[in-house]
Amino acid sequence: QVQLVESGGGVVQPGRSLRLSCAASGFTFSSYAIQWVRQAPGKGLEWVAVISYDGANKYYADSVKGRFTISRDNFKNTLSLQMNSLRAEDTAVYYCARGGSGIYSWFDSWGQGTLVTVSS
Amino acid sequence: DIVMTQSPDSLAVSLGERATINCKSSQSVLYNSNNKNYLAWYQQKPGQPPKLLIYWASTRESGVPDRFSGIGSGTDFTLTISSLQAEDVAVYYCQQYYNSPLTFGGGTKVEIK
Repeated sequence: QVQLVESGGGVVQPGRSLRLSCAASGFTFSSYAIQWVRQAPGKGLEWVAVISYDGANKYYADSVKGRFTISRDNFKNTLSLQMNSLRAEDTAVYYCARGGSGIYSWFDSWGQGTLVTVSS
Repeated sequence: DIVMTQSPDSLAVSLGERATINCKSSQSVLYNSNNKNYLAWYQQKPGQPPKLLIYWASTRESGVPDRFSGIGSGTDFTLTISSLQAEDVAVYYCQQYYNSPLTFGGGTKVEIK
C-alpha cells in the first residue's frame, strides 16, 4: 500500500535550519508530484510547496519562498524540504502528500506528519 | 492567489441528519478546455492527517461512503453529508488545485448536536 513517512522534525532556534525528509513506498514514486503541507497547532492547513514528478518544476507559498527548498531523489524514493532562516511562525506539523502526475492535482495519500517547533 | 472561503466555520448536526458545507473561490477554478473544476475536499479527524474525499468537485475517492457528495462549478461548491454518522465528526477542508499557490479553505468543523 502507499506509504509516506516524514522525519527530521524537532525543536530549532529561530534563524537556524532544519531538513525534513519523506520516505515513500508502495507506488512508483517517480511518477507522482509530491507536496508539503503544514498545520500550525490548532490551525488549518497551509500549502507549503510542490515538486513535479521529475523534479523539474517547483512552486512555493509566498510565506516560505526564498527560505525553503523542496527536492526529491527518485532513485531513493525520498522527498526533502530544506528549511532555512526559520521563524516562530514556521512552527507546525509538516505533512508530505502524493499528488498526480502533474503539479495541479488532488492529493490522495498523506504521511502522518512531523512536528517542527521553532523556539529559543 | 485564489482565496478559498468556507462557511460555516462550524456546525452541529443530529445523527442521521444532513450536513452542508460551502466553499467559495475568489476566482473560477473551472478549466474550460476540459470542463473540470479543480476542487478537492478533505476530511481531517483529530490527531490524523487529512483524507481525500472528493476531487474534480464531485468525484468520490475510492472507498469513501456514498453519503458524501460534492457539487458546484466555477466559484461555488458544496460538500454534503447526507446522513451524519458519529465517525464523520471532523474538520473538512476544500482545496483548489487550479493554479499555484494551491490553497485551502479555512476549514469547517462538524460536530454532533
